[in-house]
Amino acid sequence: KAGVTQTPRYLIKTRGQQVTLSCSPISGHRSVSWYQQTPGQGLQFLFEYFSETQRNKGNFPGRFSGRQFSNSRSEMNVSTLELGDSALYLCASSSGAGGPSTDTQYFGPGTRLTVL
Amino acid sequence: QQQVKQSPQSLIVQKGGISIINCAYENTAFDYFPWYQQFPGKGPALLIAIRPDVSEKKEGRFTISFNKSAKQFSLHIMDSQPGDSATYFCAAGSGSGYSTLTFGKGTMLLVSP
Repeated sequence: KAGVTQTPRYLIKTRGQQVTLSCSPISGHRSVSWYQQTPGQGLQFLFEYFSETQRNKGNFPGRFSGRQFSNSRSEMNVSTLELGDSALYLCASSSGAGGPSTDTQYFGPGTRLTVL
Repeated sequence: QQQVKQSPQSLIVQKGGISIINCAYENTAFDYFPWYQQFPGKGPALLIAIRPDVSEKKEGRFTISFNKSAKQFSLHIMDSQPGDSATYFCAAGSGSGYSTLTFGKGTMLLVSP
């Protein structure tokens, strides 16, 4: 079974621009979660999508948004980029069935975003 | 508010030694505690996980110890090997969203040959 894939792997943008990151979950998984990883804050939960609906949301500003398509692929968008948005953005997929043993999260390799 | 506190930030252990990483949580609603291992350039990968109905879980050289009353859990890596050198994250989840984990800030482990 193919793992979680994320594109692009690396991205360089300037302040004020917007960016879209893509995540393809493991086949059969219906839940996709996004995390931001930085050296200072570690991994912080952004949001989770399940069956094309946002099911959970973390404490990030509205500049961070996402969506999920009918094939479970997900995109994350960050508008009006700030220097502090430089981070590794990780996507994780799971079955979304609701139990800890079935909701094991499998992470992709991440997209490294640098904002100049 | 950091809901899962992890220590130490970094750890150096000699080959064959025991690596111990500790985590403490605040939210009593948490009932799922996984540990993830991350190598440079890779995403985190699930190593081992525990539910609060058991006090210990062992898988190979990796053991989780769980103390519900103290709201603490720890990862023990026995016979540590250079290949174990990685960053380790503890996390916690609850029934409100096992797909939305709260992570500790990570421990960078270096096992010297």
